[in-house]
Amino acid sequence: AQRVTQPEKLLSVFKGAPVELKCNYSYSGSPELFWYVQYSRQRLQLLLRHISRESIKGFTADLNKGETSFHLKKPFAQEEDSAMYYCAPSAHNFNKFYFGSGTKLNVKP
Amino acid sequence: ETGVTQTPRHLVMGMTNKKSLKCEQHLGHNAMYWYKQSAKKPLELMFVYNFKEQTENNSVPSRFSPECPNSSHLFLHLHTLQPEDSALYLCASSQDLAYSNQPQHFGDGTRLSIL
Repeated sequence: AQRVTQPEKLLSVFKGAPVELKCNYSYSGSPELFWYVQYSRQRLQLLLRHISRESIKGFTADLNKGETSFHLKKPFAQEEDSAMYYCAPSAHNFNKFYFGSGTKLNVKP
Repeated sequence: ETGVTQTPRHLVMGMTNKKSLKCEQHLGHNAMYWYKQSAKKPLELMFVYNFKEQTENNSVPSRFSPECPNSSHLFLHLHTLQPEDSALYLCASSQDLAYSNQPQHFGDGTRLSIL
Protein backbone atom coordinates (compact mmCIF):
# COMPACT_ATOMS: atom_id res chain seq x y z
CA ALA A 1 0.00 0.00 0.00
CA GLN A 2 1.12 3.53 -0.69
CA ARG A 3 2.05 5.26 2.53
CA VAL A 4 4.16 7.87 4.23
CA THR A 5 6.19 6.79 7.22
CA GLN A 6 7.51 8.88 10.06
CA PRO A 7 9.83 6.58 11.99
CA GLU A 8 10.30 8.80 15.04
CA LYS A 9 7.48 9.34 17.51
CA LEU A 10 9.49 11.77 19.60
CA LEU A 11 12.49 13.92 18.84
CA SER A 12 14.18 15.99 21.53
CA VAL A 13 16.84 18.57 20.74
CA PHE A 14 18.36 21.53 22.51
CA LYS A 15 17.68 25.08 21.43
CA GLY A 16 20.04 26.12 18.68
CA ALA A 17 20.73 22.56 17.55
CA PRO A 18 19.88 21.36 14.04
CA VAL A 19 16.76 19.30 13.68
CA GLU A 20 15.62 16.80 11.06
CA LEU A 21 12.21 15.15 11.12
CA LYS A 22 12.13 12.14 8.86
CA CYS A 23 9.45 11.22 6.36
CA ASN A 24 9.66 8.38 3.85
CA TYR A 25 7.09 7.56 1.22
CA SER A 26 6.26 4.55 -0.87
CA TYR A 27 5.14 5.67 -4.29
CA SER A 28 6.55 4.87 -7.67
CA GLY A 29 5.66 8.12 -9.41
CA SER A 30 6.19 11.76 -8.54
CA PRO A 31 4.56 12.42 -5.20
CA GLU A 32 3.30 15.72 -3.93
CA LEU A 33 3.93 16.01 -0.23
CA PHE A 34 3.19 18.39 2.60
CA TRP A 35 4.31 19.00 6.13
CA TYR A 36 1.67 20.00 8.66
CA VAL A 37 2.27 21.27 12.18
CA GLN A 38 0.10 21.26 15.28
CA TYR A 39 1.22 23.54 18.10
CA SER A 40 -0.15 23.03 21.58
CA ARG A 41 -3.80 24.10 21.77
CA GLN A 42 -3.84 25.15 18.12
CA ARG A 43 -5.35 23.61 15.04
CA LEU A 44 -3.46 21.49 12.59
CA GLN A 45 -2.08 23.73 9.86
CA LEU A 46 0.02 23.57 6.75
CA LEU A 47 3.71 24.27 7.31
CA LEU A 48 5.05 23.82 3.82
CA ARG A 49 4.60 21.93 0.58
CA HIS A 50 7.40 20.55 -1.52
CA ILE A 51 6.09 22.00 -4.76
CA SER A 52 6.65 25.57 -3.57
CA ARG A 53 10.23 24.95 -2.46
CA GLU A 54 9.89 27.61 0.20
CA SER A 55 11.29 28.07 3.67
CA ILE A 56 8.70 28.61 6.39
CA LYS A 57 9.77 29.58 9.92
CA GLY A 58 13.26 28.47 8.95
CA PHE A 59 12.12 24.99 7.96
CA THR A 60 12.84 23.44 4.57
CA ALA A 61 12.03 20.07 3.06
CA ASP A 62 13.50 18.58 -0.08
CA LEU A 63 12.00 15.72 -2.01
CA ASN A 64 14.64 13.05 -2.54
CA LYS A 65 13.32 10.60 -5.09
CA GLY A 66 16.34 8.35 -4.78
CA GLU A 67 15.79 7.85 -1.09
CA THR A 68 12.00 8.33 -1.34
CA SER A 69 12.21 10.84 1.46
CA PHE A 70 10.84 14.26 2.33
CA HIS A 71 12.65 15.12 5.54
CA LEU A 72 11.92 18.40 7.33
CA LYS A 73 14.98 20.34 8.42
CA LYS A 74 15.89 23.42 10.37
CA PRO A 75 19.47 24.44 11.10
CA PHE A 76 18.81 26.05 14.50
CA ALA A 77 15.81 24.88 16.49
CA GLN A 78 13.83 27.31 18.66
CA GLU A 79 11.70 26.52 21.68
CA GLU A 80 8.61 27.72 19.84
CA ASP A 81 9.18 24.96 17.28
CA SER A 82 8.02 22.41 19.84
CA ALA A 83 4.95 20.84 18.28
CA MET A 84 3.58 17.77 16.54
CA TYR A 85 4.65 17.46 12.91
CA TYR A 86 2.87 15.38 10.28
CA CYS A 87 4.02 14.41 6.82
CA ALA A 88 1.18 13.91 4.35
CA PRO A 89 0.65 13.13 0.67
CA SER A 90 -1.76 14.81 -1.66
CA ALA A 91 -4.95 13.08 -2.66
CA HIS A 92 -3.95 12.79 -6.28
CA ASN A 93 -0.90 10.68 -5.61
CA PHE A 94 -2.14 8.45 -2.91
CA ASN A 95 -5.89 8.53 -3.42
CA LYS A 96 -6.40 8.31 0.28
CA PHE A 97 -5.39 10.91 2.82
CA TYR A 98 -3.21 8.76 5.02
CA PHE A 99 -1.12 11.08 7.12
CA GLY A 100 2.08 9.90 8.68
CA SER A 101 1.88 8.91 12.33
CA GLY A 102 3.48 12.18 13.38
CA THR A 103 6.63 13.19 15.22
CA LYS A 104 6.54 15.19 18.39
CA LEU A 105 9.38 17.69 18.45
CA ASN A 106 10.53 18.89 21.84
CA VAL A 107 13.03 21.73 21.83
CA LYS A 108 14.68 22.08 25.22
CA PRO A 109 16.07 25.38 26.52
CA GLU B 1 -9.42 32.96 11.31
CA THR B 2 -12.84 31.69 10.26
CA GLY B 3 -11.84 29.09 7.69
CA VAL B 4 -13.20 25.80 8.99
CA THR B 5 -15.51 26.00 12.00
CA GLN B 6 -16.53 23.01 14.09
CA THR B 7 -19.27 22.85 16.69
CA PRO B 8 -19.53 21.97 19.45
CA ARG B 9 -15.96 22.30 20.73
CA HIS B 10 -16.64 19.79 23.49
CA LEU B 11 -19.26 17.06 23.78
CA VAL B 12 -19.94 14.59 26.56
CA MET B 13 -22.48 11.91 25.83
CA GLY B 14 -23.67 8.58 27.08
CA MET B 15 -23.42 5.44 25.03
CA THR B 16 -27.12 5.44 24.22
CA ASN B 17 -27.33 9.08 23.15
CA LYS B 18 -27.64 10.44 19.64
CA LYS B 19 -25.71 13.57 18.80
CA SER B 20 -24.25 15.31 15.76
CA LEU B 21 -21.03 17.13 15.06
CA LYS B 22 -21.10 20.02 12.64
CA CYS B 23 -18.45 21.41 10.34
CA GLU B 24 -18.74 24.50 8.18
CA GLN B 25 -16.28 26.11 5.80
CA HIS B 26 -16.42 29.42 3.97
CA LEU B 27 -13.35 28.89 1.83
CA GLY B 28 -15.18 27.92 -1.34
CA HIS B 29 -13.83 24.38 -1.09
CA ASN B 30 -15.54 21.34 -2.52
CA ALA B 31 -13.82 18.53 -0.64
CA MET B 32 -14.42 17.89 3.06
CA TYR B 33 -13.07 15.30 5.46
CA TRP B 34 -13.57 13.80 8.90
CA TYR B 35 -10.59 12.60 10.92
CA LYS B 36 -10.27 11.00 14.33
CA GLN B 37 -7.32 11.98 16.49
CA SER B 38 -6.54 10.02 19.63
CA ALA B 39 -3.52 9.20 21.73
CA LYS B 40 -3.21 5.69 20.27
CA LYS B 41 -3.55 6.65 16.61
CA PRO B 42 -2.68 10.27 16.01
CA LEU B 43 -4.65 10.99 12.84
CA GLU B 44 -7.11 8.56 11.27
CA LEU B 45 -9.03 9.35 8.13
CA MET B 46 -12.72 8.51 8.46
CA PHE B 47 -14.67 9.95 5.53
CA VAL B 48 -14.05 12.02 2.42
CA TYR B 49 -16.61 13.97 0.41
CA ASN B 50 -16.01 15.66 -2.92
CA PHE B 51 -18.77 17.84 -4.37
CA LYS B 52 -21.16 16.36 -1.80
CA GLU B 53 -20.45 12.80 -2.88
CA GLN B 54 -18.78 10.39 -0.46
CA THR B 55 -15.58 9.13 -2.01
CA GLU B 56 -14.02 7.42 0.97
CA ASN B 57 -15.24 5.44 3.96
CA ASN B 58 -12.21 4.14 5.78
CA SER B 59 -13.93 1.11 7.31
CA VAL B 60 -15.68 3.28 9.87
CA PRO B 61 -18.29 1.56 12.10
CA SER B 62 -21.90 2.30 11.23
CA ARG B 63 -22.43 4.07 14.55
CA PHE B 64 -20.76 7.01 12.76
CA SER B 65 -22.90 8.37 9.96
CA PRO B 66 -21.70 11.30 7.85
CA GLU B 67 -23.86 13.73 5.96
CA CYS B 68 -22.84 16.36 3.43
CA PRO B 69 -25.87 18.43 2.35
CA ASN B 70 -23.74 20.90 0.40
CA SER B 71 -20.08 21.67 -0.20
CA SER B 72 -19.93 24.04 2.76
CA HIS B 73 -21.36 21.79 5.45
CA LEU B 74 -20.44 18.42 6.82
CA PHE B 75 -22.05 16.54 9.70
CA LEU B 76 -21.11 13.49 11.66
CA HIS B 77 -24.09 11.80 13.29
CA LEU B 78 -23.26 9.72 16.35
CA HIS B 79 -25.33 6.88 17.77
CA THR B 80 -24.62 4.26 20.45
CA LEU B 81 -20.96 5.07 20.66
CA GLN B 82 -18.41 3.13 22.67
CA PRO B 83 -15.90 4.45 25.23
CA GLU B 84 -13.08 3.87 22.73
CA ASP B 85 -14.72 6.44 20.46
CA SER B 86 -13.65 9.19 22.83
CA ALA B 87 -11.25 11.33 20.81
CA LEU B 88 -10.77 14.62 19.03
CA TYR B 89 -12.75 14.69 15.78
CA LEU B 90 -11.28 16.96 13.15
CA CYS B 91 -12.92 18.33 10.07
CA ALA B 92 -10.90 19.55 7.09
CA SER B 93 -11.55 20.94 3.65
CA SER B 94 -9.60 21.42 0.44
CA GLN B 95 -10.30 22.89 -2.96
CA ASP B 96 -11.30 19.55 -4.42
CA LEU B 97 -9.66 16.19 -4.98
CA ALA B 98 -8.55 17.13 -8.50
CA TYR B 99 -6.26 19.87 -7.23
CA SER B 100 -3.50 17.78 -5.77
CA ASN B 101 -1.20 20.66 -4.85
CA GLN B 102 -3.78 22.30 -2.61
CA PRO B 103 -3.49 21.53 1.10
CA GLN B 104 -6.19 20.74 3.61
CA HIS B 105 -7.50 23.34 6.05
CA PHE B 106 -8.45 22.02 9.45
CA GLY B 107 -10.92 23.06 12.10
CA ASP B 108 -10.19 23.14 15.83
CA GLY B 109 -11.97 19.87 16.36
CA THR B 110 -14.66 18.56 18.67
CA ARG B 111 -13.42 16.88 21.83
CA LEU B 112 -15.80 13.95 22.34
CA SER B 113 -16.06 12.04 25.61
CA ILE B 114 -18.20 8.93 25.89
CA LEU B 115 -19.37 8.04 29.37
